Amino acid sequence: AQKVTQAQTEISVVEKEDVTLDCVYETRDTTYYLFWYKQPPSGELVFLIRRNSFDEQNEISGRYSWNFQKSTSSFNFTITASQVVDSAVYFCALSEARFTGRRALTFGSGTRLQVQP
Amino acid sequence: ETGVTQSPTHLIKTRGQQVTLRCSSQSGHNTVSWYQQALGQGPQFIFQYYREEENGRGNFPPRFSGLQFPNYSSELNVNALELDDSALYLCASSFSRGNGANVLTFGAGSRLTVL
Repeated sequence: AQKVTQAQTEISVVEKEDVTLDCVYETRDTTYYLFWYKQPPSGELVFLIRRNSFDEQNEISGRYSWNFQKSTSSFNFTITASQVVDSAVYFCALSEARFTGRRALTFGSGTRLQVQP
Repeated sequence: ETGVTQSPTHLIKTRGQQVTLRCSSQSGHNTVSWYQQALGQGPQFIFQYYREEENGRGNFPPRFSGLQFPNYSSELNVNALELDDSALYLCASSFSRGNGANVLTFGAGSRLTVL
């Protein structure tokens, strides 16, 4: 069975600090997809990134960067120079690719990030 | 393009009652998934509909059921409500070609409280 662990329940930083959100996953599949979603207080989950298991290149998008390491089954997310607007709950999720048409996401329990001004 | 819209946004029911939650998919999307998010937890997959048929289900009992309509909108029905059904119910739509992992677009959810 697949599993996603986000060990950090809550992180509080001061604006402009860098912060890394950890994600560790378990799967028996060799082909899978990893995601990060952001959930602001309004409730809807906002897609941030998708990465497939064959692409271990790190990615940078503005102040956001992701570090995917298959050797440690980790997919960590770093926010550089955090801002108050980054305050939200962040979820890491995993989708196995075995089942055609069925793309259920397994989510971690989330990390609440509070950025203080 | 319009996003995913859900209704109602909030509702209160009592134990044993039935509830129907509704979801309009994002334009161009053909697949709908429903997730249950209890307070302080990550969303849990309930089921997914593609071409008006359920094609995947999580660990939820049969009293959780759904429908997908020809316009790709969807309903989630929960019978015999229990206190533990209190949660935020999230609908997500995507465009599926039958392979890969689709990016889900989520609605803001329906918050159900069961008393």
